[in-house]
Amino acid sequence: NAGVMQNPRHLVRRRGQEARLRCSPMKGHSHVYWYRQLPEEGLKFMVYLQKENIIDESGMPKERFSAEFPKEGPSILRIQQVVRGDSAAYFCASSPTGFSGANVLTFGAGSRLTVL
Amino acid sequence: AQSVTQLDSHVSVSEGTPVLLRCNYSSSYSPSLFWYVQHPNKGLQLLLKYTSAATLVKGINGFEAEFKKSETSFHLTKPSAHMSDAAEYFCVVTTGGGNKLTFGTGTQLKVEL
Repeated sequence: NAGVMQNPRHLVRRRGQEARLRCSPMKGHSHVYWYRQLPEEGLKFMVYLQKENIIDESGMPKERFSAEFPKEGPSILRIQQVVRGDSAAYFCASSPTGFSGANVLTFGAGSRLTVL
Repeated sequence: AQSVTQLDSHVSVSEGTPVLLRCNYSSSYSPSLFWYVQHPNKGLQLLLKYTSAATLVKGINGFEAEFKKSETSFHLTKPSAHMSDAAEYFCVVTTGGGNKLTFGTGTQLKVEL
């Protein structure tokens, strides 16, 4: 089992460009969560998706950020017109069902975005 | 509302000595609590979890944590540190699903010879 796969692991973009981060959940997992870790801070929730549905996007910035989890393929976190403040580590996690406390999330290794 | 405070951003111990990483939480409801470890360039790995069963929780690699409701604490301990324990450790609280995790700011553990 390859676990949660995120790519790219490192991404460098200039201000104004677009960043696309991909997350392939563990086999059999249909729930995906994106978290962001800004420098010197803990991880913060961004968005929760199931296949073809956004369940909770309460942590997403209102502009420039979007996420999808299509029927086929990985989940994508897209950041348009990146700014320096978007530089962070973006972590994806997956679970087989809605997290109940007894289930746990499996996290990926993260994608580190640097905006020049 | 829920929050978690990791009291030390950096902890340094000698190999073979005990490890104590401190975590205090705040929660309006009965929380679930977790410790995760992150080695450089690796994903977050679950060390242990508390979900309202036994208050002393044993995890992987010899780590354990005790849930103390009266002190609102969930400190992580290990009797004897190993060089491979050097990593960043996160205390996490949740009263809901995977979209409701609140992370502490992390404690960087350094293990010296």
